Amino acid sequence: DAGVTQSPTHLIKTRGQQVTLRCSPKSGHDTVSWYQQALGQGPQFIFQYYEEEERQRGNFPDRFSGHQFPNYSSELNVNALLLGDSALYLCASSLRMVHYGYTFGSGTRLTVV
Amino acid sequence: SQKIEQNSEALNIQEGKTATLTCNYTNYSPAYLQWYRQDPGRGPVFLLLIRENEKEKRKERLKVTFDTTLKQSLFHITASQPADSATYLCALHNQGGKLIFGQGTELSVKP
Repeated sequence: DAGVTQSPTHLIKTRGQQVTLRCSPKSGHDTVSWYQQALGQGPQFIFQYYEEEERQRGNFPDRFSGHQFPNYSSELNVNALLLGDSALYLCASSLRMVHYGYTFGSGTRLTVV
Repeated sequence: SQKIEQNSEALNIQEGKTATLTCNYTNYSPAYLQWYRQDPGRGPVFLLLIRENEKEKRKERLKVTFDTTLKQSLFHITASQPADSATYLCALHNQGGKLIFGQGTELSVKP
């Protein structure tokens, strides 16, 4: 049973560019959450998707947007990249109506130069 | 403002001893509290969940306590091993469905 799959694993972009990160949730999970993790810090909540809608959002600007597809997979888009967007981006999946731990992917390491 | 605080300094202990990690929070009324383990370059791995009406939860060598009056959780690893060396993250899950993490505590278990 595959866990959470994220792609790509590493990415280098230039300031001002746009990036799309992808996530396939664990089989059977219907909710996807995205996190940004800077080096030495805990994961920061970006937003959560359920039933193809953004349900919760953290303290991130509108440059960060997302989407969830009917098969529960999700994308995170970041526009007008800044140097400070360099981080590990983590996707986590869960089952909405079952209160249990999240399953995380290994993340996408984004470097903005 | 809402805050989750974990020991910012790394914890170094000897193999076989009990490691105790602390998580304190303010301005939250969490429905659940969770602990995760994270190895370098990897995503967090879920370890234990404890509900607001539970005082203690155990799983093998792991034990978590949850004191909603003190707004604190303690995470214990008994008979620690070098393989337990990792960063441990505390996370609060409120009724709204957001899972919010602390900054993590790095644990190093020396043989």
